[in-house]
Amino acid sequence: AQKITQTQPGMFVQEKEAVTLDCTYDTSDPSYGLFWYKQPSSGEMIFLIYQGSYDQQNATEGRYSLNFQKARKSANLVISASQLGDSAMYFCAMRALNSGNTPLVFGKGTRLSVIA
Amino acid sequence: KAGVTQTPRYLIKTRGQQVTLSCSPISGHRSVSWYQQTPGQGLQFLFEYFSETQRNKGNFPGRFSGRQFSNSRSEMNVSTLELGDSALYLCASSLAELAGVKQETQYFGPGTRLLVL
Repeated sequence: AQKITQTQPGMFVQEKEAVTLDCTYDTSDPSYGLFWYKQPSSGEMIFLIYQGSYDQQNATEGRYSLNFQKARKSANLVISASQLGDSAMYFCAMRALNSGNTPLVFGKGTRLSVIA
Repeated sequence: KAGVTQTPRYLIKTRGQQVTLSCSPISGHRSVSWYQQTPGQGLQFLFEYFSETQRNKGNFPGRFSGRQFSNSRSEMNVSTLELGDSALYLCASSLAELAGVKQETQYFGPGTRLLVL
C-alpha cells in the first residue's frame, strides 16, 4: 500500500518569491510515479509535474520543479516566482507502476495563498 | 485537443434518490477513473474502467457503480443516496498502455458537485 503525507495544511508566500510544498511518501513498490496536481477553487485538478522513481534527474516544468530525494522518500514541489494565480490547493499523489494500472493515492493537500 | 468533460457540473438530490454522473475522456484515452473528494476524507478512489471492464475498485459500498461504453465514455451511478454522499466527484482519463513501465498521467475533469439533502 502507498501513503502520501503533506504536513503543511496552509502556506503563505509573497508574490514573486519561491515556495516549497512538502510531500513525503511510503511504498513497498520498487517502481512508482509521483505527481503534483493543483486544484483551484473551481474544483478541477490540474496536472503539474511528474517524477518517476528511476528518473536520475529532478523533474522540471516551467516554474515548477520537483525536489526528489529517494532515500528520504520525499518529493517536494518548488514553485519559483509565485504569481497570484498560483493560489490554490496542491496535492501530491503517487501510484505503483509495475502492478497494473493502480489508482492514484493522494495526500491531504496544502492550501497555498500568494499575497501581493 | 479537448479535455475531460463531466456532466452535470452541479446536482442537488434528496436522500434515497439515485444519481447518474457522466464523464467523457480525452480523445484517445482508454482508461477512466472516478474519485470522490470530501473535506473529511479527502480524495478517494472509486473505480477504474478500461475497455468497458472494471479493472480496479476502491473501498466503497455497492450503491456506487459505474460502466464504460465502447467510445470510452463512462457513467457512475449512486443509488439510495445518503447525506454523506455529498461530495465533488472527479473523473480522470489516461492512455493506459497495457504493458511496460510507463508514466500514466491521469488528467482530470472539472468535477460534478453533488449535494444530498
